[in-house]
Amino acid sequence: GAVVSQHPSRVICKSGTSVKIECRSLDFQATTMFWYRQFPKQSLMLMATSNEGSKATYEQGVEKDKFLINHASLTLSTLTVTSAHPEDSSFYICSARNRGRGNYGYTFGSGTRLTVV
Amino acid sequence: QKEVEQNSGPLSVPEGAIASLNCTYSDRVSQSFFWYRQYSGKSPELIMSIYSNGDKEDGRFTAQLNKASQYVSLLIRDSQPSDSATYLCAVLGQGAQKLVFGQGTRLTINP
Repeated sequence: GAVVSQHPSRVICKSGTSVKIECRSLDFQATTMFWYRQFPKQSLMLMATSNEGSKATYEQGVEKDKFLINHASLTLSTLTVTSAHPEDSSFYICSARNRGRGNYGYTFGSGTRLTVV
Repeated sequence: QKEVEQNSGPLSVPEGAIASLNCTYSDRVSQSFFWYRQYSGKSPELIMSIYSNGDKEDGRFTAQLNKASQYVSLLIRDSQPSDSATYLCAVLGQGAQKLVFGQGTRLTINP
């Protein structure tokens, strides 16, 4: 149980275009989803926390107009990177919290490797 | 001071030996502690969680928590080359939603 599906796993886009990444909890309802970014040889950096039906809470330094997060249902959150630039190339990972499992329930998606050319 | 600190390594351990990974945290009221393993190019996977002082064992893995010293560790017995990965320590504060991660320790098991 507690599977989080993230798509696409890899995407290459041209500079200036937008890319949408989906994160789905397949067998549980995720009250809260988290979006992380990870650069090579660095740890995960939390970008934002999204709760179903409400606006996302962004971490300091993360542009909310550039990284649009939608959490319209208890099983789906999306991250859209708008007007992508080469410096946005990174590994993006979502995590969903299973409200039925308390502190045990932080499950990660498989990640999306974004390359902006 | 970082909220969660780990030695970035790399830590090299011979196959069959015990690998010891350490983590300290600054928030004294932290409640939950997690160890994740991350292979290169993959997302983190949960290995162990621990909430009470003392040791918790699961197979070859043992997590140790000392809240007074604000210290949590992970021991890997009989290390295997497949254990070579980056190990991330994560801490959840009291009443918090988000995990705070350390910078990770790169572990290499040498055959």
